[in-house]
Amino acid sequence: QVHLIQSGAEVRKPGASVRVSCKVSDYPLSELSMHWVRQTPGKGLEWVGGFALQGGGPEYAQEFQGRVTFTADTSTDTAYMDLSSLRSEDTAVYYCVTLRQQQMIDFWGQGTLVTVSS
Amino acid sequence: DIVMTQSPLNLPVTPGEPASLSCRSSQSLLHNNGFHYLDWYVQRPGQSPQIVIYLGSLRASGAPDRISGSGSGTDFTLKISRVEAEDVGIYYCMQALQTPITFGPGTKVVVK
Repeated sequence: QVHLIQSGAEVRKPGASVRVSCKVSDYPLSELSMHWVRQTPGKGLEWVGGFALQGGGPEYAQEFQGRVTFTADTSTDTAYMDLSSLRSEDTAVYYCVTLRQQQMIDFWGQGTLVTVSS
Repeated sequence: DIVMTQSPLNLPVTPGEPASLSCRSSQSLLHNNGFHYLDWYVQRPGQSPQIVIYLGSLRASGAPDRISGSGSGTDFTLKISRVEAEDVGIYYCMQALQTPITFGPGTKVVVK
């Protein structure tokens, strides 16, 4: 069983950046494929992107390319998502998730609400 | 991108009665390993989604055996043999065959 604990809600102005963290417990982060999914009332669930810590480059949904960066600190088992050039449409709940063998999302974090508002 | 559609979007159900949810993809989800890369998730009120069915028909650990998944190619079905109160929530299908991973809009199951 993998537990994912995310950082708290954030409020940002348009054009700003945000970092969301995801602490992994009960499993080494280095053996996981960490991805991010966001949820909005209008668009539902959207895959943002992610990467496998054992190798292979990051993958991104096209609309986030150039604006999102995924990093991980294996010494603290914490994954990060940085999203820049925020706009109001980025207001969403962001989930960190583990993708098992590219087949299924087996664990979800509790979600982090990011609000973008002037 | 593979487009996922679901029907119905709202499904009122009577406890003890069966329920059937449909999911369709714009392309076949058959992987060359013989499995369909189609998963089902349920999001109960106030919670994160959780896996119930993966690879089209395999029940996830902890998912009740009254829930089953079937289908092939582009057409998939999730069935609940006898609906219980805890089955209330939004059921999403998701394809993991290719990136971008995409989700259906969800079917909201409510108890009558």
